[in-house]
Amino acid sequence: EVHLLESGGGLVQPGKSLRLSCSASGFTFRSYAMTWVRQAPGKGLDWVSAINADGDKTYFADSVKGRFTISRDNLGDTLYLHMDNLRAEDTAVYFCAKNAGGASRPLRDWGQGTLVSVSS
Amino acid sequence: DIQMTQSPPSLSASVGDKVTITCQASQAIGNFLNWFQQKSGKAPKLLISDASTLETGVPPRFSAGGSGTHFTFTITGLQPEDFATYYCQQLFTLPLTFGGGTRVE
Repeated sequence: EVHLLESGGGLVQPGKSLRLSCSASGFTFRSYAMTWVRQAPGKGLDWVSAINADGDKTYFADSVKGRFTISRDNLGDTLYLHMDNLRAEDTAVYFCAKNAGGASRPLRDWGQGTLVSVSS
Repeated sequence: DIQMTQSPPSLSASVGDKVTITCQASQAIGNFLNWFQQKSGKAPKLLISDASTLETGVPPRFSAGGSGTHFTFTITGLQPEDFATYYCQQLFTLPLTFGGGTRVE
């Protein structure tokens, strides 16, 4: 059974950095692209970033490009999202999700999310 | 980026009702469209992929169709556990944008 567990969320001041982790189990992590999706309080789903299985191709929403970095550790089965220069509008629950193949494939498996709050 | 416009933003329905949600893409996306269900405080659940293919274990009261720019999602015979928010998502090109959601209440 696929299991994804996000961690690293919390309260952070505007302009600061935070790194989220997503620990994966129950599947061959190195074979699948992975994605981060966020959801601001009371709002809809917002695709943030994706990375291919090998980790050499990354994709970002315009709203986070240049501030967020996605990476993965295929030996440790962990996905990361490094967030710099955080803004109030980055406040959201961040979900990691497993793509059913490449970065444009369906998101069938999701973690439960970790809350990031950006506030002074 | 491809914009996905979902309607209505919310709807009121009763158990047993037939509910239909539409999703309009800003450009043609073939059948590269998925539908998700999200209950409060939970992660989204993929219900339908490739515009009309029911995921394993999803009850047949859920159905969907469409291609190009216009898509529909239907629940025939709404059940108590179906009260949730539903989202479409295009998979034609990155970023994989979502519709704004439809709350079924």
